[in-house]
Amino acid sequence: NAGVTQTPKFRVLKTGQSMTLLCAQDMNHEYMYWYRQDPGMGLRLIHYSVGEGTTAKGEVPDGYNVSRLKKQNFLLGLESAAPSQTSVYFCASSPRSPYSNQPQHFGDGTRLSIL
Amino acid sequence: EDQVTQSPEALRLQEGESSSLNCSYTVSGLRGLFWYRQDPGKGPEFLFTLYSAGEEKEKERLKATLTKKESFLHITAPKPEDSATYLCAVRPQTLGRLYFGRGTQLTVWP
Repeated sequence: NAGVTQTPKFRVLKTGQSMTLLCAQDMNHEYMYWYRQDPGMGLRLIHYSVGEGTTAKGEVPDGYNVSRLKKQNFLLGLESAAPSQTSVYFCASSPRSPYSNQPQHFGDGTRLSIL
Repeated sequence: EDQVTQSPEALRLQEGESSSLNCSYTVSGLRGLFWYRQDPGKGPEFLFTLYSAGEEKEKERLKATLTKKESFLHITAPKPEDSATYLCAVRPQTLGRLYFGRGTQLTVWP
């Protein structure tokens, strides 16, 4: 009963380094999302995907790239990390279209610090 | 400009002391309003979806209600295990994405 699994759970990077965050879901959901959560702010959408091989920009996409090569996986990449990208990153998935009212199911987050 | 505003930011209750959390929204046209619970170090956990004004949903000590401009999450006789941050999110009619509020941090002490 894994649901949405994010790896790693914690990571510390130096400015300019690159890394990839992995999200995997076992619920056969079509839609997947990447959010960031910062103190005093609501969850903000970075990128999302409506299916395998498709991605789209969300509210705060700059500095991030994503890929959805397999339906169950959604990768978030930071090519050149900046201190402003220090945050907690959450992945979520939902079935069918976001225009339906199926809720999004979240992973437990990746805590990323950029020094 | 915030689409979703939650109040209060923080709330401390004694065990058994009922209260309400507020979520007001400004999106034009609402497809759905969602309540989530988030425990420290965890991801948001889905609680309720509300679709139209007048609708109510209940789960244990929690009851969510919806009007045309706001939603309330009523907590009846809370217990310490209800301590968490409660998030509200709205989905507008014309967009598929969710807009999240900043949350209300609830602490229930014995």
